Amino acid sequence: DAEITQSPRHKITETGRQVTLACHQTWNHNNMFWYRQDLGHGLRLIHYSYGVQDTNKGEVSDGYSVSRSNTEDLPLTLESAASSQTSVYFCATSPNTGELFFGEGSRLTVL
Amino acid sequence: RKEVEQDPGPFNVPEGATVAFNCTYSNSASQSFFWYRQDCRKEPKLLMSVYSSGNEDGRFTAQLNRASQYISLLIRDSKLSDSATYLCAVNMGGGADGLTFGKGTHLIIQP
Repeated sequence: DAEITQSPRHKITETGRQVTLACHQTWNHNNMFWYRQDLGHGLRLIHYSYGVQDTNKGEVSDGYSVSRSNTEDLPLTLESAASSQTSVYFCATSPNTGELFFGEGSRLTVL
Repeated sequence: RKEVEQDPGPFNVPEGATVAFNCTYSNSASQSFFWYRQDCRKEPKLLMSVYSSGNEDGRFTAQLNRASQYISLLIRDSKLSDSATYLCAVNMGGGADGLTFGKGTHLIIQP
């Protein structure tokens, strides 16, 4: 079955360190997204991509970057982790019909 | 600026009852609407799309009111397993640039 997998599922890191969260999908969807979810804010869009070599900023992109070198993967990088980036991160893919399908999430704690 | 708003609840409802909640959106040009279900510490899962004419899936009915800019979800004959957070999602831009989510409505079905 096609799926979307995120890794690591849980990570604890220190302020200032670089962190990369992986997202891999076998749906063969061109559209991929990264969201963060926090109490009181709900799901907020960080970055998204329409296809290989395409990346776009979302609502809360500061401090994050993504790259899209193939259809299957959209890694999310925190260049210098901050405590404000402690959150649950969800990767999602979308066929062109608009709905999103989410991975299981990566829980990041920045100390 | 609140783009997609939901009553956070919680809605405490006895098993077997009917419950409905609404979600309002700010962009009148929005084209795609969805309801997601999210269980505690899990990823959001697509419950149903919302079509202009309204649509039903078993015990669940979704409606769209473009004039008043809201969507609704009705759950009939509620089950204990319906306890979850229900997120509405709207494609605010009309393209493939991701969905804007409400913060969710927490539903608790009581035996």
